Amino acid sequence: DSGVTQTPKHLITATGQRVTLRCSPRSGDLSVYWYQQSLDQGLQFLIQYYNGEERAKGNILERFSAQQFPDLHSELNLSSLELGDSALYFCASSVQASGNTIYFGEGSWLTVV
Amino acid sequence: AQRVTQPEKLLSVFKGAPVELKCNYSYSGSPELFWYVQYSRQRLQLLLRHISRESIKGFTADLNKGETSFHLKKPFAQEEDSAMYYCALTGATGNTPLVFGKGTRLSVIA
Repeated sequence: DSGVTQTPKHLITATGQRVTLRCSPRSGDLSVYWYQQSLDQGLQFLIQYYNGEERAKGNILERFSAQQFPDLHSELNLSSLELGDSALYFCASSVQASGNTIYFGEGSWLTVV
Repeated sequence: AQRVTQPEKLLSVFKGAPVELKCNYSYSGSPELFWYVQYSRQRLQLLLRHISRESIKGFTADLNKGETSFHLKKPFAQEEDSAMYYCALTGATGNTPLVFGKGTRLSVIA
């Protein structure tokens, strides 16, 4: 157990809908990362937050947004869902903002039908 | 911009044979390199970090700055090593998130 918890574990939703994925980092970690893993694109970095502020942005679509709350948990919001958004979404956390090991959660399986 | 290249999508070896999973990187600053392993679409687990210089499950990796490589090696493959392996790069400082290669699937054949 890495200490990073993600909910829900599985989610099936229809095209056009909106979902929210939740992540609680390891105790003491200030940085949270979101990654998308799909069969054709591999592991893609979406966005990073550090102590409540956006730190780095990757290949995140405009339909997606995220935030980190004062208690350091994070949410990834996916809207106007398309079939191609079906993927495994990982959250990870680390103590610092860079140059350190990051620990992954179990992931949230999103299936868009 | 940083980049991680894992040239092999799939590597098949026989049990007991040596394994080398290749990783090359491109980064202008001082890199921090990692290997993560993923079993059957579970969460990614840290296998190695180059600065720790340790051996985990018999795997080792040496950072070669001249060749910009961080290849993962194991002298004798085991069936339980079959998994997806990802090489990853971040910077020691600054706004550099951990960037992953596309991964190599290792299949160890009995």
